[in-house]
Amino acid sequence: AQSVTQPDIHITVSEGASLELRCNYSYGATPYLFWYVQSPGQGLQLLLKYFSGDTLVQGIKGFEAEFKRSQSSFNLRKPSVHWSDAAEYFCAVGALGFQKLVFGTGTRLLVSP
Amino acid sequence: DVKVTQSSRYLVKRTGEKVFLECVQDMDHENMFWYRQDPGLGLRLIYFSYDVKMKEKGDIPEGYSVSREKKERFSLILESASTNQTSMYLCASGYTFGSGTRLTVV
Repeated sequence: AQSVTQPDIHITVSEGASLELRCNYSYGATPYLFWYVQSPGQGLQLLLKYFSGDTLVQGIKGFEAEFKRSQSSFNLRKPSVHWSDAAEYFCAVGALGFQKLVFGTGTRLLVSP
Repeated sequence: DVKVTQSSRYLVKRTGEKVFLECVQDMDHENMFWYRQDPGLGLRLIYFSYDVKMKEKGDIPEGYSVSREKKERFSLILESASTNQTSMYLCASGYTFGSGTRLTVV
């Protein structure tokens, strides 16, 4: 069965500092991997996705993620965090040919001045 | 871009009521999904549909049903609402999510 682990429930980063959010997945075949962001009271916005090819994926809002098959990881990074990045971030895994997703429990990002 | 519209942002219903949550997408997608979001649990799949009049159970279907009479519309039904169904409900069409409906059952 597919599963996703986001080991950090909360992370606090100073504005302007770099960010890395961790995501580990368990899946028996080639995974489709996603990062979503959710602002309070809102739905989920897709930041980026990985299906195949280049393992470094660029997304919106200056985010990127790197797929590392050997570590079963898909960590999200941003070189310089802005106060508007404060939100909850979800990693998800899906299967080839389907679009239903399995989500991690999320990481809440707090940005300090 | 696909637009996914959920008809209500907030709903308050009484225990035992029949509740309909509506979701409409505008890009002729075949695949639509209903998820439930609870703190500390992430999103969990309730039901999904790959075509009109077709439905499949997700991970937590108990207490819910769905309807897909037209391709663009996918409805989630709570047959008899209970307080443990108080939650945020998110509809997705493909990989695009709606804004969510926060349902409170009192």
